[in-house]
Amino acid sequence: DGGITQSPKYLFRKEGQNVTLSCEQNLNHDAMYWYRQDPGQGLRLIYYSQIVNDFQKGDIAEGYSVSREKKESFPLTVTSAQKNPTAFYLCASSILKGTVNTGELFFGEGTTLTVL
Amino acid sequence: EDKVVQSPLSLVVHEGDTVTLNCSYEVTNFRSLLWYKQEKKAPTFLFMLTSSGIEKKSGRLSSILDKKELSSILNITATQTGDSAIYLCAVDSNTGTASKLTFGTGTRLQVTL
Repeated sequence: DGGITQSPKYLFRKEGQNVTLSCEQNLNHDAMYWYRQDPGQGLRLIYYSQIVNDFQKGDIAEGYSVSREKKESFPLTVTSAQKNPTAFYLCASSILKGTVNTGELFFGEGTTLTVL
Repeated sequence: EDKVVQSPLSLVVHEGDTVTLNCSYEVTNFRSLLWYKQEKKAPTFLFMLTSSGIEKKSGRLSSILDKKELSSILNITATQTGDSAIYLCAVDSNTGTASKLTFGTGTRLQVTL
């Protein structure tokens, strides 16, 4: 079945440590995204990528880094510079918008990161 | 800064009731408005709206966009307990080919027996 796989589902880290969240998709989508969701707040865009080896900052990129070496993979690293890293992280992908493509996002099941 | 506001924040209804969820937006370059349902973890896509006044319908759910009022509503008729979820509204404001969505905080709907 095609879909987006995020791993792990739950992650615990000590303050000051970098941590990498995995996101893999087999939908053959060109674009991939990382969102952060906090209780009582909407999803906020961290980074997105339209093609391999290219990515753009979203609204809250500080303290995060990404790479896009393969079309299928878009890992997110939460660095020690991120002040409040404890959150629920969602990865998504989409077809690039065009005359026929609608461009809606398909989401993974998310990773809950807790920094102790 | 792009902004999406949803109301009410939460709602409790009885099975069989009809509910209307609201979404208003202020964005610089409107491309489309999307509705998602989030039951546990992964939001699932419901509708994408680009034109005013054209209702999108899927079973008991329907949605319509009013670009003059910068708003959209999501209606659910004959609600069921399976409709209990957070309903997210998002606006795509990216003129490029990627979808850059700004989300509202969501409306938490609880349907009771």
